[in-house]
Amino acid sequence: GDSVTQMEGPVTLSEEAFLTINCTYTATGYPSLFWYVQYPGEGLQLLLKATKADDKGSNKGFEATYRKETTSFHLEKGSVQVSDSAVYFCALSTTSGGSYIPTFGRGTSLIVHP
Amino acid sequence: NAGVTQTPKFQVLKTGQSMTLQCAQDMNHEYMSWYRQDPGMGLRLIHYSVGAGITDQGEVPNGYNVSRSTTEDFPLRLLSAAPSQTSVYFCASSYYGTSTDTQYFGPGTRLTVL
Repeated sequence: GDSVTQMEGPVTLSEEAFLTINCTYTATGYPSLFWYVQYPGEGLQLLLKATKADDKGSNKGFEATYRKETTSFHLEKGSVQVSDSAVYFCALSTTSGGSYIPTFGRGTSLIVHP
Repeated sequence: NAGVTQTPKFQVLKTGQSMTLQCAQDMNHEYMSWYRQDPGMGLRLIHYSVGAGITDQGEVPNGYNVSRSTTEDFPLRLLSAAPSQTSVYFCASSYYGTSTDTQYFGPGTRLTVL
């Protein structure tokens, strides 16, 4: 079945450091790929997405490129802020037999120190 | 526009009790779903619905029941609560339930079963 593997956390950085959170996937067909962010005590919200190979999703300084050849969708940000501290989930979705099945990674906690 | 709302925010049950977690959305979304979030496990799909009157099982449906009588509401029923159902529950919705859709999440219900 489909699966998403993302790096384990927590990832601890100082403010203004460069961030990479790795995400790789296994899927049949042509999935769409997503990064969701969960701030403490809240539900998940979309950070960015890419729906086909070589697409780049971007939002709030975060970027990720859909790499079909390496089945990856790594999240990057050039300069993190304390307010970026949250849990980040990589996810994919496919449509199989008419059913829409989303699959989430286990989440990576990011802690940014001043 | 309230988005996706969930009630209650917190709930404590005793083993064997039943209860209903409420979920409502005001975005006229066709697709709604329930997830549970456990530490180190990411999000796992419990049940989903592609429209009023239509529901289907996700990855972990046992011990839960759903119905979808209106487009707006998608309640989740715990038939006989067990300690293994202690978790944080999220309701989500999206426009049509296609693989490119963004999911919109509620704030979650934290359930403890003693």
